[in-house]
Amino acid sequence: DTAVSQTPKYLVTQMGNDKSIKCEQNLGHDTMYWYKQDSKKFLKIMFSYNNKELIINETVPNRFSPKSPDKAHLNLHINSLELGDSAVYFCASSNIANEQFFGPGTRLTVL
Amino acid sequence: GEDVEQSLFLSVREGDSSVINCTYTDSSSTYLYWYKQEPGAGLQLLTYIFSNMDMKQDQRLTVLLNKKDKHLSLRIADTQTGDSAIYFCAESMGGSYIPTFGRGTSLIVHP
Repeated sequence: DTAVSQTPKYLVTQMGNDKSIKCEQNLGHDTMYWYKQDSKKFLKIMFSYNNKELIINETVPNRFSPKSPDKAHLNLHINSLELGDSAVYFCASSNIANEQFFGPGTRLTVL
Repeated sequence: GEDVEQSLFLSVREGDSSVINCTYTDSSSTYLYWYKQEPGAGLQLLTYIFSNMDMKQDQRLTVLLNKKDKHLSLRIADTQTGDSAIYFCAESMGGSYIPTFGRGTSLIVHP
């Protein structure tokens, strides 16, 4: 069974569109995250969501919004996509020791 | 400056030992982690060490922590081509605290 899953794996879209990436974890963890990994492999945290408490990285544009329908899901919605949004987006969840369990990633390409 | 620093590249010959180094700045870090990222995949936790430990060994992996110098290292014995990947160092206070990742070290293993 996949612990942390994301869909889609690849997403190619035009500038200005709105898109969503879905994430689900079956580990029973309370905290979930979204990360952005750029072309140089630098990993930047975007959001942390724990028991309905959202912690936002202040550098993330407000075009990005996480949505959590329940503890096992944390989706990422992106409005008005820009070229600079092209990256690999990783969802993760963590346990009490803050061990991060990552999904396989979604490669977003904005044309 | 960055909170967690790593050198970007390391090249070793198959069969040799690899040592990947990391320094961090937050003295309140409770957990220190090593993650491995293979091409096209998400990060996978390799091991972690509590800040009150000096060393942790797990098969071919040895983690050393010098808390005074805030220096963490990962030694891979008998490095194999399958060990070629990007290795990320990270630190956290545990719980729901957001971890801080280094920029990753690309380990290249050649015959």
